[in-house]
Amino acid sequence: NAGVTQTPKFQVLKTGQSMTLQCAQDMNHNSMYWYRQDPGMGLRLIYYSASEGTTDKGEVPNGYNVSRLNKREFSLRLESAAPSQTSVYFCASSTQGRGGEQYFGPGTRLTVT
Amino acid sequence: GENVEQHPSTLSVQEGDSAVIKCTYSDSASNYFPWYKQELGKGPQLIIDIRSNVGEKKDQRIAVTLNKTAKHFSLHITETQPEDSAVYFCAAPLGDSSYKLIFGSGTRLLVRP
Repeated sequence: NAGVTQTPKFQVLKTGQSMTLQCAQDMNHNSMYWYRQDPGMGLRLIYYSASEGTTDKGEVPNGYNVSRLNKREFSLRLESAAPSQTSVYFCASSTQGRGGEQYFGPGTRLTVT
Repeated sequence: GENVEQHPSTLSVQEGDSAVIKCTYSDSASNYFPWYKQELGKGPQLIIDIRSNVGEKKDQRIAVTLNKTAKHFSLHITETQPEDSAVYFCAAPLGDSSYKLIFGSGTRLLVRP
């Protein structure tokens, strides 16, 4: 099993450009999550999908959209990137949403200039 | 909303000594408290978790204690080894919905050989 995979690993965008971060899991998990990690601030939840067909906002959803394409895939879209969105983005999945272990991908390092 | 505070931000110990990291949370409805370890360049990985119906849980050299009255929980690592060097994060759910985990700001642990 590959676990949780994310593409790309690195990306540089100019202000105003758009892009989609891809995430896929092969563990048959129901729930999937997108976090961002900034220095000294831990991880903050952007959006999550409790199950296929549902998505909901986390702590910091502004400037992002998500799509739960199927049970395996959960994408994060930046429509008009801003320097404040420079961060490391992690996707995670869990089999049991409430009180279940979350498995994280390796992350995408995004720089917006 | 939930607020999770984590201390210290950095911790340096001699190999073989113990390390303790403490977290406090604000939402009395929180009922699940995981600890994650993040090695350089990787995503976080769950190392231990505790639920609100127990006060302590051990797994080899790692233990977590929970004081629900005081709203704090701690990670204890005994007989530290150089491979324990990493960033450790505590987390607590937002309300009774564990889909939304609020993470502490992290503790960088350095174990000196």
